[in-house]
Amino acid sequence: RKEVEQDPGPFNVPEGATVAFNCTYSNSASQSFFWYRQDCRKEPKLLMSVYSSGNEDGRFTAQLNRASQYISLLIRDSKLSDSATYLCVVRKNAGNMLTFGGGTRLMVKP
Amino acid sequence: DGGITQSPKYLFRKEGQNVTLSCEQNLNHDAMYWYRQDPGQGLRLIYYSQIVNDFQKGDIAEGYSVSREKKESFPLTVTSAQKNPTAFYLCASSKSLQGRLVSGANVLTFGAGSRLTVL
Repeated sequence: RKEVEQDPGPFNVPEGATVAFNCTYSNSASQSFFWYRQDCRKEPKLLMSVYSSGNEDGRFTAQLNRASQYISLLIRDSKLSDSATYLCVVRKNAGNMLTFGGGTRLMVKP
Repeated sequence: DGGITQSPKYLFRKEGQNVTLSCEQNLNHDAMYWYRQDPGQGLRLIYYSQIVNDFQKGDIAEGYSVSREKKESFPLTVTSAQKNPTAFYLCASSKSLQGRLVSGANVLTFGAGSRLTVL
């Protein structure tokens, strides 16, 4: 089993739709969780950290479920510019190493 | 503006040749990393360095070598021993506080990447 698993998609949604991605992780001792966004042929950029109580940043909401070992990302009112690959990232409990999921590709259509 | 600069952006190599990818950062970050990304896959850690003159193997270090002679620089050499070197290579850096978990300290900043193709 991979340490961090994501549905690769693609998720094809119309503009204005609400879309949610899940990501599961295998190491129950994981401490930090992030969502990164990666545009085609570009470097990943931090979208948001995921806090235990859940957190929101504009149209984006991240949730953490430690009992079931998954994190989620919800995007409301999708924009064309949201089209990208979303990488789930989990920090191991030693050092500063991050484990990346394979990414979920989102395509927002007009 | 502070950031990470990788070069070259595109590189073509013949089989059997070593190539070196450059990574320079002016963020005053202690930690630097090299990742490899293959199409449709997540990033895999090749090597990382927490301080100058020290570096550690990541998950897929075979066929690669690094050096960390200066805080700002962390070059990666892809040797002829690497069986399948064609990939997108990403350098990253982060602040590093040993033994403490500080909000924001673990955030990675990436360079724009180097795309290596073996002919």
